[in-house]
Amino acid sequence: LAKTTQPISMDSYEGQEVNITCSHNNIATNDYITWYQQFPSQGPRFIIQGYKTKVTNEVASLFIPADRKSSTLSLPRVSLSDTAVYYCLVAGSGGSYIPTFGRGTSLIVHP
Amino acid sequence: GAVVSQHPSWVICKSGTSVKIECRSLDFQATTMFWYRQFPKQSLMLMATSNEGSKATYEQGVEKDKFLINHASLTLSTLTVTSAHPEDSSFYICSARKGQLGGELFFGEGSRLTVL
Repeated sequence: LAKTTQPISMDSYEGQEVNITCSHNNIATNDYITWYQQFPSQGPRFIIQGYKTKVTNEVASLFIPADRKSSTLSLPRVSLSDTAVYYCLVAGSGGSYIPTFGRGTSLIVHP
Repeated sequence: GAVVSQHPSWVICKSGTSVKIECRSLDFQATTMFWYRQFPKQSLMLMATSNEGSKATYEQGVEKDKFLINHASLTLSTLTVTSAHPEDSSFYICSARKGQLGGELFFGEGSRLTVL
């Protein structure tokens, strides 16, 4: 069961790029890395998922080094509406899937 | 993306009563759903894994007789908080897994339970 570690909080300003790193030293071969965003009193929302190297979609990029023991979520040009809690989830495929969340990172974007 | 819906979004009940929360996957079949609870400013805590057609698997420390889970169809799982007490007040969130490889989770909107 991979355990994740993230910074508890981060501050940024509108228009800046934000990088949030998650450590998962015990990641297993069949584990995928998924990042979620959560606003208060809402369920988490999928941002991006990857297995290795780099993944990019319309809202974010995910960088995963070769050893896969960490991952970095990159949010380009954040806005006030990106203020939220961000979670990285490391979980495997098939029958070993137990989606346990870590503490998450509270990102505050300032004007 | 896929849609998971929870109902009710909020509920207030008296101590000692039971409350049922529904979780539906609207556009895909989910053999596995997950139930979480979340206290203010804390992370999501996995309570149990709901398996269609079989008993739920509860995480350590979660009372199965207190939190009854039923997954009677491929699109519906229910969580019943029995004999609710004020300490059960929390934000309950369900999720459903679409597909197997990669295991992307889709979450419901959450249900806020307040026990008076």
